[in-house]
Amino acid sequence: QKEVEQNSGPLSVPEGAIASLNCTYSDRGSQSFFWYRQYSGKSPELIMFIYSNGDKEDGRFTAQLNKASQYVSLLIRDSQPSDSATYLCALDNYGQNFVFGPGTRLSVLP
Amino acid sequence: DVKVTQSSRYLVKRTGEKVFLECVQDMDHENMFWYRQDPGLGLRLIYFSYDVKMKEKGDIPEGYSVSREKKERFSLILESASTNQTSMYLCASSTTGTGFVPEAFFGQGTRLTVV
Repeated sequence: QKEVEQNSGPLSVPEGAIASLNCTYSDRGSQSFFWYRQYSGKSPELIMFIYSNGDKEDGRFTAQLNKASQYVSLLIRDSQPSDSATYLCALDNYGQNFVFGPGTRLSVLP
Repeated sequence: DVKVTQSSRYLVKRTGEKVFLECVQDMDHENMFWYRQDPGLGLRLIYFSYDVKMKEKGDIPEGYSVSREKKERFSLILESASTNQTSMYLCASSTTGTGFVPEAFFGQGTRLTVV
């Protein structure tokens, strides 16, 4: 069974700092990876998608993928209190469905 | 915008009742999913469907069944509700179409309490 692991947190960072969220996965054949943000009481929403080794940047967010190490990360630069949420790492299970990690709760302190 | 709509935001049911959770998507997506979300356990896949009348078991199908009679609608059925099925249920849909990011679009969730 494919697994996605994340540190549950909470991860606390001061406003303006860089938040670093990490994720490892068990299936070396996995190809596509996602970061979802979930505010308390709300549904997850996609913020980043990556399938190539290296970095992918979108505004204040950077996703990093290292397939050799089976490691995905999300960096949030200039963290804002509005970034406080749970961040879910997920992988595409060969086009059939999605496997999610348990999520890391991020708290950005004003 | 993609819209995935779940029929109820909150439900309270009694042990032993048959429970229906409905989900409708308006983007002609092929794939639909039912997850449950529990604290510390994340999202766990119950069932998914990649076409009308097709269904596949996910990681935790026991005690659940599904129905997909129309492409836009995917129903989750709790045959005989039990207290350990108290959870947040999330429906999602996605497309495998060329050129599209294969992201999952989620409904607003149904918080089910079984008493």
